[in-house]
Amino acid sequence: EAQVTQNPRYLITVTGKKLTVTCSQNMNHEYMSWYRQDPGLGLRQIYYSMNVEVTDKGDVPEGYKVSRKEKRNFPLILESPSPNQTSLYFCASSLSAGELFFGEGSRLTVL
Amino acid sequence: GIQVEQSPPDLILQEGANSTLRCNFSDSVNNLQWFHQNPWGQLINLFYIPSGTKQNGRLSATTVATERYSLLYISSSQTTDSGVYFCAVDRGGKLIFGQGTELSVKP
Repeated sequence: EAQVTQNPRYLITVTGKKLTVTCSQNMNHEYMSWYRQDPGLGLRQIYYSMNVEVTDKGDVPEGYKVSRKEKRNFPLILESPSPNQTSLYFCASSLSAGELFFGEGSRLTVL
Repeated sequence: GIQVEQSPPDLILQEGANSTLRCNFSDSVNNLQWFHQNPWGQLINLFYIPSGTKQNGRLSATTVATERYSLLYISSSQTTDSGVYFCAVDRGGKLIFGQGTELSVKP
């Protein structure tokens, strides 16, 4: 089954404790991206990657890192999480920035 | 940067009614997509529509790129159509989403 898989789906952590949200797709898509969704602010792009070893900042990259070492994986790294990074996170992929397929979301709470 | 505005922000319909959702954008874009976020939070791609008209069952979409807007039509609405509808525009990989239209379809 074609899908975008995120883990963990739910996480509660504390300020400053490094965490990684993994994202994997099995559709051989070149394009992958991360978003956060907050009430009243909608969906905002954090980072995107047009292909392996190519990453670019979206609208809200501060406090996040990404890497694209393999085509199928695009992890989101929070080196030192803060409470303002409490949010619902989505990973998505597409064939060359075409029709976008989303993962199921990861709800992160930073205390 | 580019601005994406959706209207109306909220919409309540009786089952069976038709509706039109609008997405305006302030600059030229590579493409435009419509998504539905269901009440469980899942985001589903409805249309990839940089220009022209597409139809999928009761839903159809039209994008007029030269006038910088797109419309999503929902006909004979069903309770399962409830949720939030987002449009998103693409500028070379950078996606900008509108604030969404929250649709509630009553039985």
